[in-house]
Formats: sequence, structure tokens, C-alpha cells
Amino acid sequence: QQQVKQSPQSLIVQKGGISIINCAYENTAFDYFPWYQQFPGKGPALLIAIRPDVSEKKEGRFTISFNKSAKQFSLHIMDSQPGDSATYFCAATPGVGYNKLIFGAGTRLAVHP
Amino acid sequence: GAGVSQSPSNKVTEKGKDVELRCDPISGHTALYWYRQSLGQGLEFLIYFQGNSAPDKSGLPSDRFSAERTGGSVSTLTIQRTQQEDSAVYLCASTLAGVYQLRNEQFFGPGTRLTVL
Repeated sequence: QQQVKQSPQSLIVQKGGISIINCAYENTAFDYFPWYQQFPGKGPALLIAIRPDVSEKKEGRFTISFNKSAKQFSLHIMDSQPGDSATYFCAATPGVGYNKLIFGAGTRLAVHP
Repeated sequence: GAGVSQSPSNKVTEKGKDVELRCDPISGHTALYWYRQSLGQGLEFLIYFQGNSAPDKSGLPSDRFSAERTGGSVSTLTIQRTQQEDSAVYLCASTLAGVYQLRNEQFFGPGTRLTVL
């Protein structure tokens, strides 16, 4: 049973544009929502994360928007660069103090120069 | 190196053979996770270790899969009688967090790509 749904599966953006990736979850017990970035041949690396008590978190060009009532959250990459080309995974953790990650299926982002 | 390491990086095996995959977590990290990443899929949780015990094995897909952790450090994931559907990248992650501690970032290794012919 997929508990975190991610879209789109792939995304092509021109350099300087905005990349937007969306995720939706079902389990209201989820209380931590990280985004991971993965380059080919590498393991995923934490990019940015949010807790449900805030609606937005920004770190540099990366912003998470969180809508608790809709059970949705999204990643926005401003001024997208070719170096941002990677696979992005949203994730969620079920419950306090235990951070087994439930991942979305991933979005392959290609930023064209 | 300071990161999570995994070995081998690639493993090709024949159907029916047993394989062992190794994970060396970051020194001092008490929690260790195994995930599986199939082609075009997200990461699927397999098992979680806190120290040497495994309080959550709920993601292991069958009894052919087992894992152990010794000395609160190195972990080995064993797949017996491998099947073609076991082909995937197996990723290990470690973190400082335990069950009763604040949530911390999981640091992933580069993975082991397993191909079962």
C-alpha cells in the first residue's frame, strides 16, 4: 500500500525556471516530511525537511509548502540549475521518535541549459 | 571516510544462490536502516536496528531475507535462494536517533546493486 504519492514521475525545466514536485500522504500520524535528492550512483541525501506545525520552509532556492488539511506538501526549486538535475524523493515518518522513512516513488528532474 | 559505506558496490549472482550485503554505518550512529530501491521505484523500508536489536523487521519481503548487526556497528543483509525479483539496489542508512530520541537526518550509503540472473 503506497502511503506517499508523488508526482510528476519526470519533469523537464529550463534553466532559471521553477521546478515543482508534489506529494500527498494518507496517514495523519505522519509528523515529519523530508525531501531527499539522489544523483546517479549515489545514495539519497537530505535536502530539506518540514514539520506539520509550519506551512512553509525555505532554504536557499529550495522551499517546502505544506498543507496539513489537504495532506499535501510540495517542493519548489527556484532558479533551477542544470546541477539540480537529479531524482527527488519526498518522504514521511510515522510517529514521534522513530524515523523509518516512507518514500514516494520519486521524480526525475532534468534542467536544460 | 566519514560516511556510510557499503560493499560490494555491485553483485551479480545466479538464481538460487545466497548473497551477503554489508553496511558500515557512520561511527557512533546507533540506528541503522536497510532500504531497497527497485528500478523506477521509490525506496522501500526493509528493517531497522537500534543497537544490535531489530525492533522493526516489518519490511522484509520474505523469510529468505534476514539481517544482523554486531557490536552496534556493521550490519549484514543476507538473501537466501535469490530470485530474479530480488534484483534491486540495496541501501543502508544510519542516524544518531533512537526510538526515544529526537529525530535526526538519515545518512545513506551508495548502495549495493544486486543483479540476479
